[in-house]
Amino acid sequence: DAKTTQPNSMESNEEEPVHLPCNHSTISGTDYIHWYRQLPSQGPEYVIHGLTSNVNNRMASLAIAEDRKSSTLILHRATLRDAAVYYCILRDRNNAGNMLTFGGGTRLMVKP
Amino acid sequence: EPEVTQTPSHQVTQMGQEVILRCVPISNHLYFYWYRQILGQKVEFLVSFYNNEISEKSEIFDDQFSVERPDGSNFTLKIRSTKLEDSAMYFCASRNRVVAWNTEAFFGQGTRLTVV
Repeated sequence: DAKTTQPNSMESNEEEPVHLPCNHSTISGTDYIHWYRQLPSQGPEYVIHGLTSNVNNRMASLAIAEDRKSSTLILHRATLRDAAVYYCILRDRNNAGNMLTFGGGTRLMVKP
Repeated sequence: EPEVTQTPSHQVTQMGQEVILRCVPISNHLYFYWYRQILGQKVEFLVSFYNNEISEKSEIFDDQFSVERPDGSNFTLKIRSTKLEDSAMYFCASRNRVVAWNTEAFFGQGTRLTVV
């Protein structure tokens, strides 16, 4: 699977928007971009995924660059509960493998 | 909201003993997984299971490990002869569609295994 690069950590203030970047310069045309997060002492949790177009759901928005070499997860109003490690993961539709490959992710700290 | 449940939440075992970690995936899901996370490290894939057989496994998943879906609802991970380095959080996950790239996986809260 193509590799992703994320900052190790980011800080945000409560109730402000947060933009979490992910670089995936070797992304292939068949890779879907998935985001998961892991709250402290919990299992990973699905956030959002997309292919080419920007996506919105109740948790977040995903902005995908036109060349697809980067994407940004947007939390519109960070809460203390959003403090977690956020993982950007590529999933290839042509790959028979169906597991998730987690990197180090971005540890988001939210200040009150 | 449906969820993946894991028991026990914490298991302490002596080195060399066998442990069984239990998971109840979401009921209509087809694929089942075990992952582990050693303290302070990344989440690592162990094994995936589909149609009553292992579909993929990582290098970590050696002969010490086995999985089973004994009764159509539970999904278990057995670790024979545990070692100190098996101490980790073990997460079970499931998903409901054949295609992986467009489907979310649901994770349980994990079992913390401590080998002493």
